[in-house]
Amino acid sequence: DGGITQSPKYLFRKEGQNVTLSCEQNLNHDAMYWYRQDPGQGLRLIYYSQIVNDFQKGDIAEGYSVSREKKESFPLTVTSAQKNPTAFYLCASSGRLNTEAFFGQGTRLTVV
Amino acid sequence: QKEVEQNSGPLSVPEGAIASLNCTYSDRGSQSFFWYRQYSGKSPELIMSIYSNGDKEDGRFTAQLNKASQYVSLLIRDSQPSDSATYLCAVLESGGYQKVTFGTGTKLQVIP
Repeated sequence: DGGITQSPKYLFRKEGQNVTLSCEQNLNHDAMYWYRQDPGQGLRLIYYSQIVNDFQKGDIAEGYSVSREKKESFPLTVTSAQKNPTAFYLCASSGRLNTEAFFGQGTRLTVV
Repeated sequence: QKEVEQNSGPLSVPEGAIASLNCTYSDRGSQSFFWYRQYSGKSPELIMSIYSNGDKEDGRFTAQLNKASQYVSLLIRDSQPSDSATYLCAVLESGGYQKVTFGTGTKLQVIP
């Protein structure tokens, strides 16, 4: 089955902790994305990557970090510098040259 | 910052009617446009993509694009209660990077 897998589905973070959200795809897509969605809000781009070992900041990158060491994987770390991390995090991927993006099932992060 | 704007709604239509969802975008060089449907608590799923001016039909859905007016719309014919969801407009920005920007979404309610 081809698709995008995000894990975990639910994640709880204590104040001051770093947490890493996993995103894996087996669609052979070059581009991968991380979005954040707050209740009743649209999707805001955190980071995106066009190819391995290359990534760019999106509109709200502060307090987040990513890596792209493999084509299939694009993990997102929410650092303690992110002051309001409670949100729904969505990973997506797309092929090259203007093709559609497909989403994983999302990770719901809550600060406790 | 390049913008994608949608009326947040809610847009209420009776079952069987046509629902019309609209989106405007600021990046005049954009060439690729997408409509996603998002049910509450779930990740977005792709409904339609459109790349050329004019209409594109897929079942009960029709996407319309007018690049001169920087306007894209989605029509849903014979609306069903199961169509009740938030519809997100997305635009692939020009400039060489695979950066997709989303609107905040329009909430559609189909009344039985």
